[in-house]
Amino acid sequence: QQPVQSPQAVILREGEDAVINCSSSKALYSVHWYRQKHGEAPVFLMILLKGGEQKGHEKISASFNEKKQQSSLYLTASQLSYSGTYFCGTSGSNDYKLSFGAGTTVTVRA
Amino acid sequence: GAGVSQSPSNKVTEKGKDVELRCDPISGHTALYWYRQSLGQGLEFLIYFQGNSAPDKSGLPSDRFSAERTGGSVSTLTIQRTQQEDSAVYLCASSPLGDGGWGDEQYFGPGTRLTVT
Repeated sequence: QQPVQSPQAVILREGEDAVINCSSSKALYSVHWYRQKHGEAPVFLMILLKGGEQKGHEKISASFNEKKQQSSLYLTASQLSYSGTYFCGTSGSNDYKLSFGAGTTVTVRA
Repeated sequence: GAGVSQSPSNKVTEKGKDVELRCDPISGHTALYWYRQSLGQGLEFLIYFQGNSAPDKSGLPSDRFSAERTGGSVSTLTIQRTQQEDSAVYLCASSPLGDGGWGDEQYFGPGTRLTVT
């Protein structure tokens, strides 16, 4: 089942903060976050695993609420380079697939 | 080092023709994934290979779609009797371990843009 992302789009000025949410209706084992710029391939940002393990870039922060089956990605002090579409992907414990949300388009303006 | 590569980068084909899309993963990566992305949409999972085996083929949209991986490396996605709704960008990704627990980051290739006329 496809996770639900919110908001669908957000516009920021440089230096502002934003939160992108990802929620699932089923128990999750992992949440992945990727960013895709127009015409380019998605790029890995972070993985959050059940039990608290996280792997990702130092400048990116995210949370994983296992009980609520939700994850949030925090964009802090946004830069122009943060613009793009952010996708969350989720999997259950016995899945052989990663289900991606529809994406959140972030536009950072000077 | 070299990233994931895909070929061709663009493919235009007539409805009803067969197409083959190729993916060369990062050397040494055990897992390989195929996704489809329609214009302005998210990523639709198609299939995952652990080595040369695909544990679950249920993500393939129809029996016109098939995929194989040989030598634990190159993978080919074949679409038979293409339809206009097959038009999309087909993305391939690879990851180091691919233990099925989805704890690995995936490295995506640039994609193949397929247009069925």
